[in-house]
Amino acid sequence: AQSVAQPEDQVNVAEGNPLTVKCTYSVSGNPYLFWYVQYPNRGLQFLLKYITGDNLVKGSYGFEAEFNKSQTSFHLKKPSALVSDSALYFCAVRDTAGNTPLVFGKGTRLSVIA
Amino acid sequence: GAGVSQSPSNKVTEKGKDVELRCDPISGHTALYWYRQSLGQGLEFLIYFQGNSAPDKSGLPSDRFSAERTGGSVSTLTIQRTQQEDSAVYLCASRPGQRSYEQYFGPGTRLTVT
Repeated sequence: AQSVAQPEDQVNVAEGNPLTVKCTYSVSGNPYLFWYVQYPNRGLQFLLKYITGDNLVKGSYGFEAEFNKSQTSFHLKKPSALVSDSALYFCAVRDTAGNTPLVFGKGTRLSVIA
Repeated sequence: GAGVSQSPSNKVTEKGKDVELRCDPISGHTALYWYRQSLGQGLEFLIYFQGNSAPDKSGLPSDRFSAERTGGSVSTLTIQRTQQEDSAVYLCASRPGQRSYEQYFGPGTRLTVT
């Protein structure tokens, strides 16, 4: 069975500082990995994905994530946080074997403080 | 172009009543998903439609929940005899097809059962 863990319910960071939102996963085969962001009263917006190839993937709004197979992690990062990055972030995984739906983590609320 | 739309945006209903939630996917998207987002929880997969294939209903929490997708486009999620624990945000997402990966989410329907 697939699963995703986001160990931090809340991450606080000062504006201009680097940010990291953690995600670890478990799948039986190879993973497809995703990050989504949810702003208040809005649906989820796609940020980035890892399918294959380079372990470092770059996405929208200056975010990037690094796939680490040995640590089964896919942490989201940004070199310099903005107040407007404050939102709820979800990591999701799908097994490449079969046509399975995405499994989401419980989300991490990011607060960027001016 | 137009994104995924959902209606109503908010629905308040009395316990025991039936409700219907509607999702209009992005035109041409063959895959459609329903998720439930409860307070403090991640996204819970409910049901998945792919083209003309039989839907994956493995996430439906009880037989009070059902969904259909007419003509490969619009989908309706029906909850019969609503319970207070059904209160949540119901999110719909669509995906272009088998070889695409990211899902595009609608803004959701906030359901409150009183």
